Amino acid sequence: DAGVTQSPTHLIKTRGQHVTLRCSPISGHKSVSWYQQVLGQGPQFIFQYYEKEERGRGNFPDRFSARQFPNYSSELNVNALLLGDSALYLCASSLLPANYGYTFGSGTRLTVV
Amino acid sequence: AQSVAQPEDQVNVAEGNPLTVKCTYSVSGNPYLFWYVQYPNRGLQFLLKYITGDNLVKGSYGFEAEFNKSQTSFHLKKPSALVSDSALYFCAVRDNSGNTPLVFGKGTRLSVIA
Repeated sequence: DAGVTQSPTHLIKTRGQHVTLRCSPISGHKSVSWYQQVLGQGPQFIFQYYEKEERGRGNFPDRFSARQFPNYSSELNVNALLLGDSALYLCASSLLPANYGYTFGSGTRLTVV
Repeated sequence: AQSVAQPEDQVNVAEGNPLTVKCTYSVSGNPYLFWYVQYPNRGLQFLLKYITGDNLVKGSYGFEAEFNKSQTSFHLKKPSALVSDSALYFCAVRDNSGNTPLVFGKGTRLSVIA
């Protein structure tokens, strides 16, 4: 059974550009959460989606947006990229939002130059 | 608001010795507590969780953690460290309402020396 898959694995973008990151949850999992991990820090919560609806949002600017599709996969979009957006972006899936734990993907490493 | 503190940026231990990685937390209500491990250029790998019940929780790869409600701590332990345990360890907490996200500490780098 496949785990949480994220694409792409690595990405280099220029300041001001837009980026879309993708996540496919474990089969049967209906909730997806996105985290940003800046080098040397712990993951910071960005969004949680369940049944295509936003269930929570962290302290991130409106340049960050996300959505969940009917097949429960998800996209994270970041507009007007800044150097400070360089990070590892992690997707986690769970059966339900309130589940005891999440399963994380390997992440997308975004570098903004 | 929920928060997690991992007071040590780095923990060094000799192979074969016991290891402890410290974690304290703050949460409204009852906590759900987790430990994750991260190897270089990888995502987070689940080690163990405390939801309710026995305060001593056993997890993957010989790791265990002890929940201490009075000290609001959830320290990660292993009786005998391996070089392969060297990695970045994250403690995380959420409350039991189901309406809050998982909040992580800043991480502790464990280095096991042969």
